[in-house]
Amino acid sequence: GAVVSQHPSWVICKSGTSVKIECRSLDFQATTMFWYRQFPKQSLMLMATSNEGSKATYEQGVEKDKFLINHASLTLSTLTVTSAHPEDSSFYICSASLPRTNEQFFGPGTRLTVL
Amino acid sequence: AQSVTQLDSQVPVFEEAPVELRCNYSSSVSVYLFWYVQYPNQGLQLLLKYLSGSTLVESINGFEAEFNKSQTSFHLRKPSVHISDTAEYFCAVSGSGGYNKLIFGAGTRLAVHP
Repeated sequence: GAVVSQHPSWVICKSGTSVKIECRSLDFQATTMFWYRQFPKQSLMLMATSNEGSKATYEQGVEKDKFLINHASLTLSTLTVTSAHPEDSSFYICSASLPRTNEQFFGPGTRLTVL
Repeated sequence: AQSVTQLDSQVPVFEEAPVELRCNYSSSVSVYLFWYVQYPNQGLQLLLKYLSGSTLVESINGFEAEFNKSQTSFHLRKPSVHISDTAEYFCAVSGSGGYNKLIFGAGTRLAVHP
């Protein structure tokens, strides 16, 4: 149980375009989802916390208008990288937490390459 | 606020040898502790966790970790490693209250050699 999926698993786009990444909890309802960014050979950096039906809470230094997060249902959160640039290239990972616990279940990640 | 320090960025070891990956944390409140494993180009998989109760926790594939409150440590150990254990290992901490933001350590690359 507690499976989280991400789509797409990898994407290549041109500079200036927008890219949407989906994160789904497949077998449970997640009131809270998290979005992380990971650079090569580095740890995960929390970008934002997403609660169903409310605005996301962004970490310091993360641009809200650049990384749009929508958590429209208890099983789906989306991250849209707007006007992507090469420096946005990274591995983006989402996670979802079970209600009333602190355990997070991670998706397989999305590799974004901006040309 | 919490923080996590993983003291070793890389740990090389021969197959069937024991290994210890070190993790220390700091927190002003009670914590939950986690170890995650990441294989290349994949997401994170939960290896084991400490929420409460017994301070020694075990995973199904032979890893164990012990919560030591006095030393603020949660070191990961395995008595005999396999080639397939080669991966990146992340220690993480969260407050035990209602808000479950995870703070990750920098990671330790475990490289098992034949």
